[in-house]
Amino acid sequence: EIILTQSPGTLSLSPGERATLSCRASQSITTIYVAWFQQKPGQAPRLLIYDTSIRATGTPDRFSGSGSGTDFTLAISRLEPEDSAIYYCQQYFDAPLTFGGGTKVEIK
Amino acid sequence: EAQLLESGGGLVQPGGSLRLSCAASGFTFSTCLMSWVRQAPGKGLEWVSTLDGTTSTYYADSVRGRFIVSRDNSKNMLYLQMNSLRAEDTAVYYCVRRLKLGGGYPFEFWGQGALITVSS
Repeated sequence: EIILTQSPGTLSLSPGERATLSCRASQSITTIYVAWFQQKPGQAPRLLIYDTSIRATGTPDRFSGSGSGTDFTLAISRLEPEDSAIYYCQQYFDAPLTFGGGTKVEIK
Repeated sequence: EAQLLESGGGLVQPGGSLRLSCAASGFTFSTCLMSWVRQAPGKGLEWVSTLDGTTSTYYADSVRGRFIVSRDNSKNMLYLQMNSLRAEDTAVYYCVRRLKLGGGYPFEFWGQGALITVSS
């Protein structure tokens, strides 16, 4: 099983700042099948990024994904108040499909 | 517009059974890979099961042998039969559509979820 570890647990930043969220895999993910989700309180998760770096329909271009092997990153270039949420990474290549524990982004 | 609507959630005693349903609309359900994902209260996301367009099924170790995923393409319905329920199965269960995007099948669209509480 591929274990995904996200860091930091919580990120507290001001509007306009850049956020960098990390997702580290316990073993190399040999494909690009890494996704990022945004979840706001009381809502279902929403797909932001798939195939490591491709923005899903409706994802603002201030969100970008990158990485390979064991290290993957979600960057939010200019934080806006509505970006306050928990962000999860996921690998959807190797069974069992696994999610990271999440990073909470707080906007000051 | 695509919609996924879960139903059948509620309170069940340990050892009991429950069937979740997911009604799909606004897209060609029969050709879609579908999954169930759960989230325990205040916790992260856990993949539970996947069913392809026909009969191939996949389960997390934590539910294999107790849960059964199925679909009725004529009714655009996805089901999750949950047996021998345990307290640790308490969670919101999400029905998820997985579309062929790029090279794989990401978890592209999620229903709003149904809460299952296992407690005596």
